[in-house]
Amino acid sequence: DQQVKQNSPSLSVQEGRISILNCDYTNSMFDYFLWYKKYPAEGPTFLISISSIKDKNEDGRFTVFLNKSAKHLSLHIVPSQPGDSAVYFCAASAPYGQNFVFGPGTRLSVLP
Amino acid sequence: ETGVTQTPRHLVMGMTNKKSLKCEQHLGHNAMYWYKQSAKKPLELMFVYNFKEQTENNSVPSRFSPECPNSSHLFLHLHTLQPEDSALYLCASSQDPGSSYNSPLHFGNGTRLTVT
Repeated sequence: DQQVKQNSPSLSVQEGRISILNCDYTNSMFDYFLWYKKYPAEGPTFLISISSIKDKNEDGRFTVFLNKSAKHLSLHIVPSQPGDSAVYFCAASAPYGQNFVFGPGTRLSVLP
Repeated sequence: ETGVTQTPRHLVMGMTNKKSLKCEQHLGHNAMYWYKQSAKKPLELMFVYNFKEQTENNSVPSRFSPECPNSSHLFLHLHTLQPEDSALYLCASSQDPGSSYNSPLHFGNGTRLTVT
């Protein structure tokens, strides 16, 4: 049973518009959440993270929102650029562990 | 060299071969990891090393044997693999051993392994 779910395998967005990537989790012990971006033939690259004591974290064009009661987080990219086209992974971890649990990924295509 | 470097990038091996994957991190981190990504499956944790000591083995078959001679180097020794072991093997490092909190993983580019 997947503990971290990304229910949209793919998403297409027009350049300049907002991209919203969603992630749901089932384990209420998770307290640290991350987003990674992956280009073909490269390893995942860390983008942004959020701890469970916050509900929002912003870094430039990237904002992550956390809704603990719904066990849901989302990544907003504004404005979207063609270079943002990649696979995005959501990940989560619980206290006192080093097992980052990853979702299956969402492929984002930003169309020029 | 910066970041996390993995060699080789691609590897094809037969089921009776023995090969090794190598990982080196230049970030001064204290924890190193092996992850596996199979087709259409999420990344799966295989092993964790903190300060050269193995702290997690995620029920990985013994045909995968990790080695961590120091905090900067990590190996994955492979022998008598099966075709279903074909996957992308990713090495990662993080700053703080024993805790994932506020210590994100930094990944290498992976080794694409094909077992014939």
